[in-house]
Amino acid sequence: AQSVTQPDIHITVSEGASLELRCNYSYGATPYLFWYVQSPGQGLQLLLKYFSGDTLVQGIKGFEAEFKRSQSSFNLRKPSVHWSDAAEYFCAVGARNQGGKLIFGQGTELSVKP
Amino acid sequence: DVKVTQSSRYLVKRTGEKVFLECVQDMDHENMFWYRQDPGLGLRLIYFSYDVKMKEKGDIPEGYSVSREKKERFSLILESASTNQTSMYLCASADWQETQYFGPGTRLLVL
Repeated sequence: AQSVTQPDIHITVSEGASLELRCNYSYGATPYLFWYVQSPGQGLQLLLKYFSGDTLVQGIKGFEAEFKRSQSSFNLRKPSVHWSDAAEYFCAVGARNQGGKLIFGQGTELSVKP
Repeated sequence: DVKVTQSSRYLVKRTGEKVFLECVQDMDHENMFWYRQDPGLGLRLIYFSYDVKMKEKGDIPEGYSVSREKKERFSLILESASTNQTSMYLCASADWQETQYFGPGTRLLVL
């Protein structure tokens, strides 16, 4: 079955600390992978995406993610978290010729301590 | 930049009312989607559309219908609103690279 798992429902980090949000997927085809961020009461904003090529992708707001095919993972990282990064983060998987249909993880809520 | 707009940010309706949620995108995308988002349940796909006048059911279509008369506009209709349809509704459109772009969401309260 196709699925996306974000094992951490809620993470708290101190401002300035590094961050890693985990994402594991199960998908039959070669996956397209996405990370979105949602601030409270807002829609989802695309952070970054992976289709092919270099397995380390850079996104907006200083985020990056690494695709590891052998581990079926696409973890999101940031070297130094800012208070404004507090939000909910969603990992999603799709594929070519799926009409843009994505499978989303349940989300990870990030809190940032001063 | 892709822009997806939704007709209302907040909406309060009474049980039994017919509710229209509208979504407009300005990037000529063929594919559009409606989701609802509830705490602990993530995003659940209600309906999607691959082209004008074409629609397909998502994971939770019961109690909803959709309309796509023009390429840029995708409407979600609650024929007779119920309290269990109180939720955050998110619209998205997708480009040729399968990337979805979301609107700001409509928070619907059904009393």
